Amino acid sequence: QKEVEQDPGPLSVPEGAIVSLNCTYSNSAFQYFMWYRQYSRKGPELLMYTYSSGNKEDGRFTAQVDKSSKYISLFIRDSQPSDSATYLCAMSATIYYGGATNKLIFGTGTLLAVQP
Amino acid sequence: DVKVTQSSRYLVKRTGEKVFLECVQDMDHENMFWYRQDPGLGLRLIYFSYDVKMKEKGDIPEGYSVSREKKERFSLILESASTNQTSMYLCASVPEPSGTSTDTQYFGPGTRLTVL
Repeated sequence: QKEVEQDPGPLSVPEGAIVSLNCTYSNSAFQYFMWYRQYSRKGPELLMYTYSSGNKEDGRFTAQVDKSSKYISLFIRDSQPSDSATYLCAMSATIYYGGATNKLIFGTGTLLAVQP
Repeated sequence: DVKVTQSSRYLVKRTGEKVFLECVQDMDHENMFWYRQDPGLGLRLIYFSYDVKMKEKGDIPEGYSVSREKKERFSLILESASTNQTSMYLCASVPEPSGTSTDTQYFGPGTRLTVL
C-alpha cells in the first residue's frame, strides 16, 4: 500500500464549479500537509500548506486536514480555466542523517481541466 | 524570489551514455533534492544533499549518483543510462530546517530525459 493515495483523474469541470481534490495517507507521523500545483512542462509550485488538523483558506482555495481519518482535501471555488493543472498533495516526514530535514511524500497527482 | 534552474529542459541520450543533469539555486539553501516524476508513480526521491560534499540516498538511488561541490549546485549523474531512466527529473532546494512548514521545497522547471 502506498503511503499517500491520490485519485489521478482526469477531472473535468465547467468554469465556476467547485472542485474537490483529495488524498488519503497511512502514516500517522505526518505533520505538515501541502498542495502543489504543476502546470504542464513546469515544476511543482507550492499552493497551500497546513499543519495538523484543521482548515486554511487563501482566496478561492481551502485546504482541509482530518488527521483522525488520515484524509486531506483541497477545495477550489469559482474555478477558472487558469486553474487547469495537475494538483499534487504532499506530506512531510522528518528524516535524520546526523542532522534532520523534512522529506516530502507526494501523491501521484490529479489532473484538473476547467472548461470555459 | 527563489530561483532554481536546471541545465536542460529536454535531453535525448543513448543507452550506456553517461548523463549529467545540473541544478543551480540562488538562495543559499543548504538542502537540495533530486526527484524523478513518472505517470502513476508521482515524485520519487533519488538523492538529497544537506551540505557541500554531503549526500544521502533517497528511495530510488540505484543507477544514480550525485555531486555537490558548491552550495548552489547539485548534479545528478546517470553513470550508464538505461531506457528505464527515461523520465522527468526535478530538482528542489529548501533552506535549513526550521521545524516549521516554511521548509517548503522550491522546484526547478524539470528536465525531460529520453534514453533511446
